[in-house]
Amino acid sequence: SAVISQKPSRDICQRGTSLTIQCQVDSQVTMMFWYRQQPGQSLTLIATANQGSEATYESGFVIDKFPISRPNLTFSTLTVSNMSPEDSSIYLCSVDEGNLSNEQFFGPGTRLTVL
Amino acid sequence: KQEVTQIPAALSVPEGENLVLNCSFTDSAIYNLQWFRQDPGKGLTSLLLIQSSQREQTSGRLNASLDKSSGRSTLYIAASQPGDSATYLCAVLVGTASKLTFGTGTRLQVTL
Repeated sequence: SAVISQKPSRDICQRGTSLTIQCQVDSQVTMMFWYRQQPGQSLTLIATANQGSEATYESGFVIDKFPISRPNLTFSTLTVSNMSPEDSSIYLCSVDEGNLSNEQFFGPGTRLTVL
Repeated sequence: KQEVTQIPAALSVPEGENLVLNCSFTDSAIYNLQWFRQDPGKGLTSLLLIQSSQREQTSGRLNASLDKSSGRSTLYIAASQPGDSATYLCAVLVGTASKLTFGTGTRLQVTL
């Protein structure tokens, strides 16, 4: 399975600032996704990161707040913009390698605290 | 809209016990179902994947079953160990867009 890394692993930020999270995969993958896990909650899909085109956002998430880039098949970034304490969450990227099983694998996550 | 529920929300068992975690989903038109493990503050580790055409999958002490028509899956853990303590999440995949819908999770604690 693909090996996924995320940077940073954690950060503490001031409200009103922005943070960019990186997701790197050790092999080319078809699909990459970004999820949010708020404290004590399960995971919610933010968007699908599309290579070479704009990301596809889920209901309740907008590009101005969570801009996403995917310049190639092994890398993606998620920016959390104009942060507020409500953005404190674990942010995780996941990949679907594109084989027939459609199994997804997750990165280690980025724990974000907004003060 | 697909909804996924896991029961119980939390479970504490003594070491050595066999246990069952439950997952139910409202839309039976799923492509597959995955069980994950999450340690506190960490990412997710994929444990088992069951395709919609399959009834069960096994990996070591773990066995997952799927009854698509009734919208249910179970994760059976045999001879539990303290190292099994974690949150277990099930997630279903609907269609080919690879969008996972996650359950609420079961927090498991295995005591000595």
